[in-house]
Amino acid sequence: NAGVTQTPKFQVLKTGQSMTLQCAQDMNHNSMYWYRQDPGMGLRLIYYSASEGTTDKGEVPNGYNVSRLNKREFSLRLESAAPSQTSVYFCASMSEQGWETGELFFGEGSRLTVL
Amino acid sequence: KNQVEQSPQSLIILEGKNCTLQCNYTVSPFSNLRWYKQDTGRGPVSLTIMTFSENTKSNGRYTATLDADTKQSSLHITASQLSDSASYICVVSAGGYNKLIFGAGTRLAVHP
Repeated sequence: NAGVTQTPKFQVLKTGQSMTLQCAQDMNHNSMYWYRQDPGMGLRLIYYSASEGTTDKGEVPNGYNVSRLNKREFSLRLESAAPSQTSVYFCASMSEQGWETGELFFGEGSRLTVL
Repeated sequence: KNQVEQSPQSLIILEGKNCTLQCNYTVSPFSNLRWYKQDTGRGPVSLTIMTFSENTKSNGRYTATLDADTKQSSLHITASQLSDSASYICVVSAGGYNKLIFGAGTRLAVHP
């Protein structure tokens, strides 16, 4: 019972490099999310996908792109990494009760350092 | 501006003792309030979800309360265990998939 799986767990990039964070869930959930977590701050929403085929910007989308590849997979891409994108990234999916009472299931996080 | 404030920032207690964590919010419209536990190096895990009409919800040794009039919630941990050492995050929903407002969390350390 894997739940939400993220890869890679750790990554070090140089400024200007690109990379993609992968996320997959095996719970057949429609909605998926990408958050970043920085010290002393609450999680902030980068992008979300309410259902397969749709994606929308969250609070802090600049410098990121997403792809909802299918119902299971939702990837986050950094086209030209900047030191300000050093953070811990969490993928999540929400259970089928919807945003009102649905449970949010998180992956284990991807720790990204941009030098 | 929608905000969720948690106090204290950090807390140390002895194993077996009780503690209460606070969450104050200014979120409108209010939909529901959630508490999550996040172990070091792991993702958050849901403890409770409370809607407007609920004022208490328990999950084992964790009891969450909600006062929608004063916009305050608390998480009470009874008979703490070493495994309770974690960050506890309060999250308020303003409605919609993109409207979850996260607090910065309270870091709890339980010492033997």
